[in-house]
Amino acid sequence: NAGVTQTPKFQVLKTGQSMTLQCAQDMNHEYMSWYRQDPGMGLRLIHYSVGAGITDQGEVPNGYNVSRSTTEDFPLRLLSAAPSQTSVYFCASSSSGGAGTGELFFGEGSRLTVL
Amino acid sequence: QQPVQSPQAVILREGEDAVINCSSSKALYSVHWYRQKHGEAPVFLMILLKGGEQKGHEKISASFNEKKQQSSLYLTASQLSYSGTYFCGTYGPSSGGGADGLTFGKGTHLIIQP
Repeated sequence: NAGVTQTPKFQVLKTGQSMTLQCAQDMNHEYMSWYRQDPGMGLRLIHYSVGAGITDQGEVPNGYNVSRSTTEDFPLRLLSAAPSQTSVYFCASSSSGGAGTGELFFGEGSRLTVL
Repeated sequence: QQPVQSPQAVILREGEDAVINCSSSKALYSVHWYRQKHGEAPVFLMILLKGGEQKGHEKISASFNEKKQQSSLYLTASQLSYSGTYFCGTYGPSSGGGADGLTFGKGTHLIIQP
């Protein structure tokens, strides 16, 4: 079982560039989400999706876009990278209908540096 | 609002016990616990649901006081493999600023020494 797969694992961008972090899960989970983790801050929710075609904003959505065209994939787009977006990004999925009652399965993370 | 975890860090000798606390200022439906080792993804430990249901690993124990919006994670007879950062994640009527996601605390760093 692959679980939740994120690519790339490492990326360096220049300010103003755009890129997409990929996330795919093979567990047929309806719920998927993106978190960012900064030192001493814990994990903060960026965007989430409760099924194909349905997305919504989390706690820190500015500067990021998402789409959910299939159950398996949930890409995160950085529109115009800023140094404040330097972080480790985690994609997570859950078999429950939402985040509250089920275990979150995390990908291995994508470490992004914006210069 | 982020739940508050305490202590921020703890150092134990192998075999000793530890308690990690998580406190929220808001009503909660559930509390989740995860452990993260350096450079790795968080790994699920336990969910405690309003009403008393728990799901998780048999060797981990925790409590959830719904009225006080508090949870505690109990690590007994600690092993070297328990080292890492422990996060509580809370879920309630307004988690994540109204979004459907967990609100995580800043973490508790646990170091187990031989």
